[in-house]
Amino acid sequence: KNEVEQSPQNLTAQEGEFITINCSYSVGISALHWLQQHPGGGIVSLFMLSSGKKKHGRLIATINIQEKHSSLHITASHPRDSAVYICAVRGGADGLTFGKGTHLIIQP
Amino acid sequence: EPEVTQTPSHQVTQMGQEVILRCVPISNHLYFYWYRQILGQKVEFLVSFYNNEISEKSEIFDDQFSVERPDGSNFTLKIRSTKLEDSAMYFCASSIPSGGGGVKDTQYFGPGTRLTVL
Repeated sequence: KNEVEQSPQNLTAQEGEFITINCSYSVGISALHWLQQHPGGGIVSLFMLSSGKKKHGRLIATINIQEKHSSLHITASHPRDSAVYICAVRGGADGLTFGKGTHLIIQP
Repeated sequence: EPEVTQTPSHQVTQMGQEVILRCVPISNHLYFYWYRQILGQKVEFLVSFYNNEISEKSEIFDDQFSVERPDGSNFTLKIRSTKLEDSAMYFCASSIPSGGGGVKDTQYFGPGTRLTVL
């Protein structure tokens, strides 16, 4: 069974700061997802990665398959980025295994 | 942009009652999923569904749960006799597989149904 660990659990930063959220997992995977969950509860998919790096706007996600580690970066952070960021992995099965999430607060 | 929808947004029920949570996946998607999130805990996989049958289920998905695709658009989760511990947010998701049997594509999540069992 895959164990997904995220760090930090909580992060408060000032607007404009560069943010990094880390995810590590214990067993080899076929894909890793970064998801965003807002206070209302809804979940939005940000990225799906199986190797390398992806960029979308101010968000960048990287994965190192050998080290079983992924990072999500937010450049020029803004208060609207405040949310829970969740890492989830897929192994050989259909269902995703989720991390506990990182609570991010960006203060103006 | 197409999206996954779920109804109702909030369901309150008495312990022992049956509930049906409804989802409309994105129209050309082929894989469908149910997840749940108990308040303050991480999201957990319940079941996946493909080609009109369960593809995979977790240990949480016991005999009190069932899923169905009653028509071409809806995907439902039924809980036969609800317990207090079934109170959670239930998320539906859908995806379309990448070609060649490789990594399946991004899962798109619905807004969730908050189930409260009293």
